[in-house]
Amino acid sequence: GAGVSQSPRYKVAKRGQDVALRCDPISGHVSLFWYQQALGQGPEFLTYFQNEAQLDKSGLPSDRFFAERPEGSVSTLKIQRTQQEDSAVYLCASSLGTGRSYEQYFGPGTRLTVT
Amino acid sequence: GESVGLHLPTLSVQEGDNSIINCAYSNSASDYFIWYKQESGKGPQFIIDIRSNMDKRQGQRVTVLLNKTVKHLSLQIAATQPGDSAVYFCAGRHSGTYKYIFGTGTRLKVLA
Repeated sequence: GAGVSQSPRYKVAKRGQDVALRCDPISGHVSLFWYQQALGQGPEFLTYFQNEAQLDKSGLPSDRFFAERPEGSVSTLKIQRTQQEDSAVYLCASSLGTGRSYEQYFGPGTRLTVT
Repeated sequence: GESVGLHLPTLSVQEGDNSIINCAYSNSASDYFIWYKQESGKGPQFIIDIRSNMDKRQGQRVTVLLNKTVKHLSLQIAATQPGDSAVYFCAGRHSGTYKYIFGTGTRLKVLA
């Protein structure tokens, strides 16, 4: 079946604009993660959902970042009033279960460039 | 602070040789570690994992070693192939959480 998909793949926003990034996890996957990856760096954890419940949002850098997964499947990461430091690749990952033995499958990411 | 970092940013190896990629972590509460491979324009891909109650785990052509005493883990790739060229990340999970901390990555270049 299909893997994790993300859209758009590329997004250019002017500083101050709001953006919405979409993640379609693998069907039936309970867990969903969002990460931010700056150029030349490793992914940084943003937030975690178990079904529709957001259990950990400790990695969201500011209150301009908001994530939701209302029906426990598709998730959206919204960034309000974008700033240049928000430029990064935003990765989504899903896993079948909630335990550590369940592999995370990553999407290709959305590259956000704020000008 | 909390960090999982790597010793070398770039590693060049001859095709057919073995590769060793190292990673140090600072948080002793990390109970689970994963190695990922990331190719350009793609998301990270799971390679192998290891729990903190183990010191070695083998997969197909890959071996992960964990030394909890010095908070160090390594990824060994046997008979390195051109398709192994990528950036490799280690990631550690804090016990009792869903949060994974990634290192900055090592770029592996396989020379023909």
